[in-house]
Amino acid sequence: AQSVTQLDSQVPVFEEAPVELRCNYSSSVSVYLFWYVQYPNQGLQLLLKYLSGSTLVESINGFEAEFNKSQTSFHLRKPSVHISDTAEYFCAVSASNTGNQFYFGTGTSLTVIP
Amino acid sequence: ETGVTQSPTHLIKTRGQQVTLRCSSQSGHNTVSWYQQALGQGPQFIFQYYREEENGRGNFPPRFSGLQFPNYSSELNVNALELDDSALYLCASSPRGGSMYTQYFGPGTRLTVL
Repeated sequence: AQSVTQLDSQVPVFEEAPVELRCNYSSSVSVYLFWYVQYPNQGLQLLLKYLSGSTLVESINGFEAEFNKSQTSFHLRKPSVHISDTAEYFCAVSASNTGNQFYFGTGTSLTVIP
Repeated sequence: ETGVTQSPTHLIKTRGQQVTLRCSSQSGHNTVSWYQQALGQGPQFIFQYYREEENGRGNFPPRFSGLQFPNYSSELNVNALELDDSALYLCASSPRGGSMYTQYFGPGTRLTVL
């Protein structure tokens, strides 16, 4: 079975500082990895995804994540955060043998401090 | 292009009652997944429907059931409501049922069981 661990439940960071949100997964087969963002009282929005190919993937709003197979990680980074990045971030994994099910971590609450 | 929509937005029920939640998938998508997100937790997979057939189920009891209609909209039914069923219920659609396909989420239905 697959599982996802988000190591930090809350991450406070000052505006314009860099941030890393950590995600580790467990799987015995090939995986697909996703980061979603959830703003208060809203559903989840896809931030970025890794399916295959280049291990570094980027989003349109400056986030990036790197798939590290040896460390089974998919950490999310941004070099300079904005107030508007304050939200809940979820890492998710699906696997080639699960077919349809996404497994989510428990989330990391990012708070950007002015 | 219309995104995923869900109704109602909020719902209050009492223990033992039954509830039906509705979801309209994004245009061109034939697969719908349902997730339960308890407060402070990540979404938990309930089940998925592909072309009107159940196509995968998570660890939820049979009192959680669903339907998918020919237009690919979907319903989630929960019988004999329990207090622990209080959660945000998220619907997600994808263009196919495979594990590599991104799931696009609706805004959710907030269910409160008293």
